[in-house]
Amino acid sequence: QSALAQPASVSGSPGQSITLSCTGGDSDIGTYKFVSWYQQFPGKAPTLLIFEVNKRPSGVSSRFSGSKSGNTASLTISGLRPEDEADYYCSSYVDGGPFELFGGGTKLTVL
Amino acid sequence: EVQLVESGGGLVQPGKSLRLSCAASGFKFDDYAMSWVRQGPGKGLEWVSGVNWAGTKGYANSVAGRFTISRDNAKDSLYLQMNSLRTEDTGLYYCAKAVGALDEDALDLWGQGTMVIVSS
Repeated sequence: QSALAQPASVSGSPGQSITLSCTGGDSDIGTYKFVSWYQQFPGKAPTLLIFEVNKRPSGVSSRFSGSKSGNTASLTISGLRPEDEADYYCSSYVDGGPFELFGGGTKLTVL
Repeated sequence: EVQLVESGGGLVQPGKSLRLSCAASGFKFDDYAMSWVRQGPGKGLEWVSGVNWAGTKGYANSVAGRFTISRDNAKDSLYLQMNSLRTEDTGLYYCAKAVGALDEDALDLWGQGTMVIVSS
């Protein structure tokens, strides 16, 4: 099973809105609503940002939002801040295989 | 305090075995699915194995047949028995709790990880 496809890096300016993409296939993102997004700072454990495509856990800023269209999921960060600079990973439930499949991760730089 | 604490990592030779443990506290352990996720040095996250509330287990293709996940609800603990270790198994192994009881649920609580180094 190949990893979900994410751009290796993206960059944006403070205050800007930016969208990170995550592309899978018919057996994962295309079929299931169980798409999640995680944020990871260097040397730290990941934290859950979005689950079930567009739900935010308690305590996560409303600046983070998720969506899905076909086989591609997206994470939008509005009002970009320097502290948003981190690695972002998507994941999806997989049909008939391992429970979860992660993307390769996107490094977000806030210029 | 709601937390997960991993232990059992270390330096091991290729072909040998290692058993990881994860101690959970602050929540009703047997109500939730649990997973192991690893991260190689400078690499991304890789889901390794998971077990749901009913005991159904799943494995990544890369570890199937070599790794075994188990849980002891009486001890609020999760385990990962790793056999026939390979150099590519090197990485930081995280224990993670799911949002709910099912295979497909996202992971909302992570430990700090335990490092496994497979090298001769």
